Amino acid sequence: AQTVTQSQPEMSVQEAETVTLSCTYDTSESDYYLFWYKQPPSRQMILVIRQEAYKQQNATENRFSVNFQKAAKSFSLKISDSQLGDAAMYFCAYCSYDKVIFGPGTSLSVIP
Amino acid sequence: GAGVSQTPSNKVTEKGKYVELRCDPISGHTALYWYRQSLGQGPEFLIYFQGTGAADDSGLPNDRFFAVRPEGSVSTLKIQRTERGDSAVYLCASSQIENNSPLHFGNGTRLTVT
Repeated sequence: AQTVTQSQPEMSVQEAETVTLSCTYDTSESDYYLFWYKQPPSRQMILVIRQEAYKQQNATENRFSVNFQKAAKSFSLKISDSQLGDAAMYFCAYCSYDKVIFGPGTSLSVIP
Repeated sequence: GAGVSQTPSNKVTEKGKYVELRCDPISGHTALYWYRQSLGQGPEFLIYFQGTGAADDSGLPNDRFFAVRPEGSVSTLKIQRTERGDSAVYLCASSQIENNSPLHFGNGTRLTVT
């Protein structure tokens, strides 16, 4: 069975600095997709970024980028120029054959 | 509305009672998912639908939980003989059928069993 692991329950970053959130997953599939979702206290889950496993190029969305290492089954999220509004729970998610499973999450605090 | 709608937003019920949680997905989204999220944890997969049929219900914890989507749009998650351990936020999400389509989530229903 596929599993998603996030080894950092909590992280903090100084405003305007860069932070990296870790994610590893376990799968025997070769074709799948990976996502990072953000969940602020309002409870609404918001897509941050997505990556197709067949693409070697790392996805980038403005201040958010990923480091996808397929052989290592690693999918970390880098947030540059951190802002107060980035404070939230961040969940790594794996999708194969339309089934999406989530990791346990990392709580990110941003220090003014 | 433009987004996924879940009702009610909060539900308090007594142990042993029956509850129904409703999800109204984004129009045209063929896939619909139910997740359960306990405090401080990630969403736990329960079931997902492609159209009217349950494509994967392997996450339903036991036979007290059941979900339907009779017309391929609105879905109802039904919990019988509720237990205190069922207390959680129940999240619904919908997406297009393609594998890389992101999930669009509702705001969830917070269920409290007293």
